[in-house]
Amino acid sequence: GAGVSQSPSNKVTEKGKDVELRCDPISGHTALYWYRQSLGQGLEFLIYFQGNSAPDKSGLPSDRFSAERTGGSVSTLTIQRTQQEDSAVYLCASSTGQGVTDTQYFGPGTRLTVL
Amino acid sequence: RKEVEQDPGPFNVPEGATVAFNCTYSNSASQSFFWYRQDCRKEPKLLMSVYSSGNEDGRFTAQLNRASQYISLLIRDSKLSDSATYLCVVIFTGGFKTIFGAGTRLFVKA
Repeated sequence: GAGVSQSPSNKVTEKGKDVELRCDPISGHTALYWYRQSLGQGLEFLIYFQGNSAPDKSGLPSDRFSAERTGGSVSTLTIQRTQQEDSAVYLCASSTGQGVTDTQYFGPGTRLTVL
Repeated sequence: RKEVEQDPGPFNVPEGATVAFNCTYSNSASQSFFWYRQDCRKEPKLLMSVYSSGNEDGRFTAQLNRASQYISLLIRDSKLSDSATYLCVVIFTGGFKTIFGAGTRLFVKA
């Protein structure tokens, strides 16, 4: 079956613009995660959804970052007034949501470059 | 102190060698543990879960030491295809907050 998909694969934007990143999880997966990975760094947890609700938003770096999920499926991560330090690969993962031992399946990521 | 710490390496080993990586975590309430593998410019993929009793999958063995708060990964008979970054992953009790280590880079040479 289809894996996790993300769009766009690459996004170049100017400082101060807003960007929207999209994640389509594996069908039937109720848990969805957003991470970001800066060059040469590990993954930084941003936010987790169970269904449409996000019980843990502690990882969002600032109030310029927001995320939503609708219909228990597609999720969008929005970054307002982008800054150069926002440049990174943004990864989305999904899992069945049955427990903390679930495997997380990752999408290919969106590479964001802020000029 | 980082919540999950790994030696960044790189580890350069010849084919057939045995190599071991350690990872330490700071939150004693951590519940679930994993090793993921990430190839260059690719997304991470699950290598194996780590259980308290230790577990083995072919050439790979994972161990968990809760008392000392560390996780280990042993790779036997290294293959060229094992070259990658190995990410230690911890999930805290009571939630789904997932913490990744920065990764250990492995290069296996012919």
